[in-house]
Amino acid sequence: DTAVSQTPKYLVTQMGNDKSIKCEQNLGHDTMYWYKQDSKKFLKIMFSYNNKELIINETVPNRFSPKSPDKAHLNLHINSLELGDSAVYFCASSLRGNSPLHFGNGTRLTVT
Amino acid sequence: SQQGEEDPQALSIQEGENATMNCSYKTSINNLQWYRQNSGRGLVHLILIRSNEREKHSGRLRVTLDTSKKSSSLLITASRAADTASYFCATDAYSGAGSYQLTFGKGTKLSVIP
Repeated sequence: DTAVSQTPKYLVTQMGNDKSIKCEQNLGHDTMYWYKQDSKKFLKIMFSYNNKELIINETVPNRFSPKSPDKAHLNLHINSLELGDSAVYFCASSLRGNSPLHFGNGTRLTVT
Repeated sequence: SQQGEEDPQALSIQEGENATMNCSYKTSINNLQWYRQNSGRGLVHLILIRSNEREKHSGRLRVTLDTSKKSSSLLITASRAADTASYFCATDAYSGAGSYQLTFGKGTKLSVIP
């Protein structure tokens, strides 16, 4: 069984659209994350979230918003998509903030 | 922001050789972790070394940590073609209210030639 699953795997959309990426973990972890990996493979943390607080990387535009319906899910909603949003987005989870991360297989977002 | 920097950016070796990748970071840490990423996949955790540890082994992997130099190395012995991947180090950074976040370096792309 997949520990961290995210959908869709590929997402192609036009500028200005709003889209969501879903993430679910079945590990019982308390903390979930969204990372963005650019074309040079640089991984940047966007959000970390547990049932107590959301920590936002201050460089992330407010067009990006995480939504957590429950402890096992952390979805990423993106408004008014821009060309520069094209990247691979990874969801991850961990037991605690500095514990090993378990990653999903990524969503490749292409904005045209 | 605290960030690991891997060195070299790319490494190409013959199968059976050893591969060494280095990571440097800027501020104090609680632990340092190494991850592997195969093409088109998510990152997979390999090993975690705590700040009070100097060396750790896991199978063909050996990780060292020198907190005085703020550096770590990952050694893969007797490499195999299946080891071809990108390798990332990650350091924890305190983000407030008792929480930590992992920050990743830019990675080393390892190619093992059969």
